[in-house]
Amino acid sequence: SAVISQKPSRDICQRGTSLTIQCQVDSQVTMMFWYRQQPGQSLTLIATANQGSEATYESGFVIDKFPISRPNLTFSTLTVSNMSPEDSSIYLCSGMRESYNEQFFGPGTRLTVL
Amino acid sequence: GENVEQHPSTLSVQEGDSAVIKCTYSDSASNYFPWYKQELGKRPQLIIDIRSNVGEKKDQRIAVTLNKTAKHFSLHITETQPEDSAVYFCAALSYNQGGKLIFGQGTELSVKP
Repeated sequence: SAVISQKPSRDICQRGTSLTIQCQVDSQVTMMFWYRQQPGQSLTLIATANQGSEATYESGFVIDKFPISRPNLTFSTLTVSNMSPEDSSIYLCSGMRESYNEQFFGPGTRLTVL
Repeated sequence: GENVEQHPSTLSVQEGDSAVIKCTYSDSASNYFPWYKQELGKRPQLIIDIRSNVGEKKDQRIAVTLNKTAKHFSLHITETQPEDSAVYFCAALSYNQGGKLIFGQGTELSVKP
């Protein structure tokens, strides 16, 4: 499996501001995904990050709120825009190589919005 | 779309006993079923997976079974140890749905010494 890193590992932000989370994989992956995990809850898929094109969002998530970029096969960013306290959560990215299906996760970014 | 149900939500066992966690899925096109272990404050870690062309897979103390007809799969942990205490998530993936993993609600396993 590949190694995924995320930056920042945690942040405390004021409401109305935006935060960009970076996800770096140490080798090329076919697919990258962004998840949200509320405390004590399961993982909810936000979107699939598509290389060189617009991300594919799941129901309940929109591009204006969670813009995503994926300029190449090893890097992606998720921006949480115009934040409110309800956005406080852990955000995780994952990568998958098409031929194996196995998804491996980054360490997560713990976001607190005041 | 896919929906994954996981039971129980909490499970407490004595050290050395077995633990079983069950999941059902709704999309018959799903063809890959991983199990993740997540310790407090850590990332989910893949512990075992099974593909739709296999009925059972075992790796030391853990095993997974799949019943495609009934659309359910289970995680079995034998000879549990305190370090098995964690939250376990099942998931289902359909490559036809873009490779998205849909997770169950999670099971908090507590192994008492």
